Amino acid sequence: ILNVEQSPQSLHVQEGDSTNFTCSFPSSNFYALHWYRWETAKSPEALFVMTLNGDEKKKGRISATLNTKEGYSYLYIKGSQPEDSATYLCAFVIYNQGGKLIFGQGTELSVKP
Amino acid sequence: NAGVTQTPKFRVLKTGQSMTLLCAQDMNHEYMYWYRQDPGMGLRLIHYSVGEGTTAKGEVPDGYNVSRLKKQNFLLGLESAAPSQTSVYFCASSYPTSGMEEQYFGPGTRLTVT
Repeated sequence: ILNVEQSPQSLHVQEGDSTNFTCSFPSSNFYALHWYRWETAKSPEALFVMTLNGDEKKKGRISATLNTKEGYSYLYIKGSQPEDSATYLCAFVIYNQGGKLIFGQGTELSVKP
Repeated sequence: NAGVTQTPKFRVLKTGQSMTLLCAQDMNHEYMYWYRQDPGMGLRLIHYSVGEGTTAKGEVPDGYNVSRLKKQNFLLGLESAAPSQTSVYFCASSYPTSGMEEQYFGPGTRLTVT
């Protein structure tokens, strides 16, 4: 059974703080890893799709790194803003099965002004 | 473009009733997916389709059926609803690159089974 773990489950930070959270996934048969941002009452929206060991992607103040050999990815948010408050999901891609994703439980981030 | 739309947005069913959830996308995506989201469980894949006329089981397929008669539509059916199927259901679609492309999600359908 494939297991994708995210930590912490929830995080409360002050505006301006930088923060990071972790996604752990099986290191064997790695194909791709997705990160999604999910705001309350909205749909999940993709942040990054990562495929290569050592990959680093950036979108504004949000960046992610990938280590496929040890099976983890970090998501960083620099200078958190209240609008960053959301649940951040990572998802592991199962190879050759129609793009099937196994999602972690998410990290719920709350940024206080 | 509307993206991915879902009908209905909310529904309350009694145990044993049936219903169909409709997902439609206007992005010409080959792949479509149905997920359910429960507290503390994240998103779990129910069924998916890699093209018109094809469907396959996901992690939690029991109690659900699907059909993909047209490329743009993916239907999720509950033949005999049970309280355990109370959940928020999300549809998603993507280009056919087996996971190398992001998935686009619909707004969700909140289903309560009493």
